[in-house]
Amino acid sequence: GQQLNQSPQSMFIQEGEDVSMNCTSSSIFNTWLWYKQDPGEGPVLLIALYKAGELTSNGRLTAQFGITRKDSFLNISASIPSDVGIYFCAGEMDSNYQLIWGAGTKLIIKP
Amino acid sequence: EPEVTQTPSHQVTQMGQEVILRCVPISNHLYFYWYRQILGQKVEFLVSFYNNEISEKSEIFDDQFSVERPDGSNFTLKIRSTKLEDSAMYFCASSPSGMGEQYFGPGTRLTVT
Repeated sequence: GQQLNQSPQSMFIQEGEDVSMNCTSSSIFNTWLWYKQDPGEGPVLLIALYKAGELTSNGRLTAQFGITRKDSFLNISASIPSDVGIYFCAGEMDSNYQLIWGAGTKLIIKP
Repeated sequence: EPEVTQTPSHQVTQMGQEVILRCVPISNHLYFYWYRQILGQKVEFLVSFYNNEISEKSEIFDDQFSVERPDGSNFTLKIRSTKLEDSAMYFCASSPSGMGEQYFGPGTRLTVT
């Protein structure tokens, strides 16, 4: 089946640092979505991207839809403690409406 | 802000029993989904539903599973003859247009003993 490769798997950062994570695939996607999931809760939509090359911000978060339509990245600037959690990329292909999910990037803030 | 709601938050059942997980999607949304997430793993698509019928389903969604929209607000997932490996978080999601953004509920934790 289709795969999204998300990296890194986890990140240990200091408060105030910038964070970058990405997802790649061998398949072309129509839509890229970035979600955050806190323990025991459902994924919360952060950013939705619909066009190749699109760069979209949501507060301190910025995400881009890769020009080849096979990748996307998410940046978080000036991280704060409430940024901890697991970030998932999800993509939607031309042929169907289901979301294909990455394995997640766990963000941990060093004390 | 409207949100997807799910009940119950936690369901414990014995192997072989049937369970029904309930969802109330966002009211003006037309596309509905069920996903599951085994502890510590990625989210997996189960089924999408539009216009009172299944539009797409994954290999996981076999004859053990069924979905229904019994009235104008609820969307249910029935799991028959539950197995230990059905233990997971089950998420309902809805979308206004079926293309792109999907909004997730808080999930139902299903524990099969």
